[in-house]
Amino acid sequence: DQQVKQNSPSLSVQEGRISILNCDYTNSMFDYFLWYKKYPAEGPTFLISISSIKDKNEDGRFTVFLNKSAKHLSLHIVPSQPGDSAVYFCAASGGSNYKLTFGKGTLLTVNP
Amino acid sequence: DAGVIQSPRHEVTEMGQEVTLRCKPISGHDYLFWYRQTMMRGLELLIYFNNNVPIDDSGMPEDRFSAKMPNASFSTLKIQPSEPRDSAVYFCASRRQGAANYGYTFGSGTRLTVV
Repeated sequence: DQQVKQNSPSLSVQEGRISILNCDYTNSMFDYFLWYKKYPAEGPTFLISISSIKDKNEDGRFTVFLNKSAKHLSLHIVPSQPGDSAVYFCAASGGSNYKLTFGKGTLLTVNP
Repeated sequence: DAGVIQSPRHEVTEMGQEVTLRCKPISGHDYLFWYRQTMMRGLELLIYFNNNVPIDDSGMPEDRFSAKMPNASFSTLKIQPSEPRDSAVYFCASRRQGAANYGYTFGSGTRLTVV
């Protein structure tokens, strides 16, 4: 059973607009959440993270929002750029171990 | 820093053959992870090591899969015998205990095709 779900396999947006990528989780023990970005033929790279004690974390054009009651997080990219086109993975961790559980990913395409 | 280095980048093998994937973690990182990426299941954790000791191998699909970490700078993932359903991209990642953000550093992956 998938504990981290990204229900949209793909998303297409226009350059300059906002991209919103969504992620849901089922495990109440998760207390740390991350987004990774992956280009073809490369490994995923860390983008941004958020602890469960916060509901928002911002880094430049990237903002992650966490709604613990809904077990939902989202990644906002504003403004979107063609170079943001990649697969975005949501990941979660909980407790004292260092395991990350990943979603299946969302392919973001930003059109010029 | 050269990052996490995986070899080979691509591997094509026939069903029934033994396959060995290799990983060199970043120097000083004491956790090493093996993940597998498929369209159906996304990124799955297979096994991870702490200070060269396997901590959790619950994600290893079956006995055909084995992983070792003989020292801090090298790990292998072996599949014997390989089957077509093992075709996937296999990633190795490492991190340092106490590092901020739980940030793993991933290698570029090995694309395995079993025919």
